[in-house]
Amino acid sequence: SQTIHQWPATLVQPVGSPLSLECTVEGTSNPNLYWYRQAAGRGLQLLFYSVGIGQISSEVPQNLSASRPQDRQFILSSKKLLLSDSGFYLCAWRGWHGTDTQYFGPGTRLTVL
Amino acid sequence: DAKTTQPPSMDCAEGRAANLPCNHSTISGNEYVYWYRQIHSQGPQYIIHGLKNNETNEMASLIITEDRKSSTLILPHATLRDTAVYYCIVRVATNAGGTSYGKLTFGQGTILTVHP
Repeated sequence: SQTIHQWPATLVQPVGSPLSLECTVEGTSNPNLYWYRQAAGRGLQLLFYSVGIGQISSEVPQNLSASRPQDRQFILSSKKLLLSDSGFYLCAWRGWHGTDTQYFGPGTRLTVL
Repeated sequence: DAKTTQPPSMDCAEGRAANLPCNHSTISGNEYVYWYRQIHSQGPQYIIHGLKNNETNEMASLIITEDRKSSTLILPHATLRDTAVYYCIVRVATNAGGTSYGKLTFGQGTILTVHP
């Protein structure tokens, strides 16, 4: 069966510090991968998606970036965090064929102070 | 992708059926209806999806009206653990001409509170 992991689970970072969040998927190959952000009391916003290694598409302009160094690894990064980067970050995967069902990880709660 | 409208909140007694409505009056013929839920501080969880026919799985039933302009998610015997935000999403399937990356657009959803 497929599983998706995210770490860390929670993170508190000062403004201006770098960020690296990691997401890995097990039990599937060549998945589509997604990064979403959910601000407090808001809906989910798609940030990035990837259809393959090294292939990243950005949905919204921001100071975040994403990378996919391996087939089942998706990383969200920032060189300098802003207060507005606080939120709940969710990684999701979807099989490259079949339905459009996405499966989400447990999320990382980021607080920027 | 078609826009959906859901009530902001609903209550349900434990053990009773929870019926969550979703309006998608501009849905087109090749768009599916998906339901997800998000329990507090967790990632969204896929529940069920359908195109035209009613669907049932171990979690819920999905009833889609004949004109496909609305649907209802039914949790047959709600428990306290079903308290969550429920999202109704409509999109074209990738294999029916939808975007290849399978983007899901989440609205504000319905906050379902199951009480004892």
